[in-house]
Amino acid sequence: GQQLNQSPQSMFIQEGEDVSMNCTSSSIFNTWLWYKQDPGEGPVLLIALYKAGELTSNGRLTAQFGITRKDSFLNISASIPSDVGIYFCAGQIFKLVFGQGTRLTINP
Amino acid sequence: NAGVMQNPRHLVRRRGQEARLRCSPMKGHSHVYWYRQLPEEGLKFMVYLQKENIIDESGMPKERFSAEFPKEGPSILRIQQVVRGDSAAYFCASSPNAGTGGRTDTQYFGPGTRLTVL
Repeated sequence: GQQLNQSPQSMFIQEGEDVSMNCTSSSIFNTWLWYKQDPGEGPVLLIALYKAGELTSNGRLTAQFGITRKDSFLNISASIPSDVGIYFCAGQIFKLVFGQGTRLTINP
Repeated sequence: NAGVMQNPRHLVRRRGQEARLRCSPMKGHSHVYWYRQLPEEGLKFMVYLQKENIIDESGMPKERFSAEFPKEGPSILRIQQVVRGDSAAYFCASSPNAGTGGRTDTQYFGPGTRLTVL
């Protein structure tokens, strides 16, 4: 079946640092999405990308939809404690196919 | 506008019992998706339903699992004769439309039901 490879699996950073994570796929997707999941909660949509090459920002978050439609990255600038959580990429063709997640830990 | 509602949030069952998980989509959304998440893993697609129809159940185990989305009322994911391996978080998502991906196809998630099988 379709699979997304998300990296890194975990990150340990200092508060204020920038963060970068990415996803690659063997299949083409028409939409890429990035979600954040806090413990005991459902995924919350951060950014949705609908066109190849699209670069979109949401506050300190920036994400891009790769030109080949097989990859995407998410950057977080100037990290703060509330950024802690697990970040998932997802490709969409009707259903969502998720990456394995990136667990972000921030040292104050 | 209330988000996607799921209940119960936590469900404990003994092996062999039945589990019923409910999902009420966002207002105006007629497409519902169920996903399962095992500990330390990403979400895996199970089934996609539109009112009264199952559109894609390719991710759902062939036995013991069933889903419905009636004309009135919430979507139900039913697991019969639960086993320990069914312990997981089950998430429901909804969208106003469904297609190959576009602004009105975006899926929004509920808080999930955490099923524990003893």
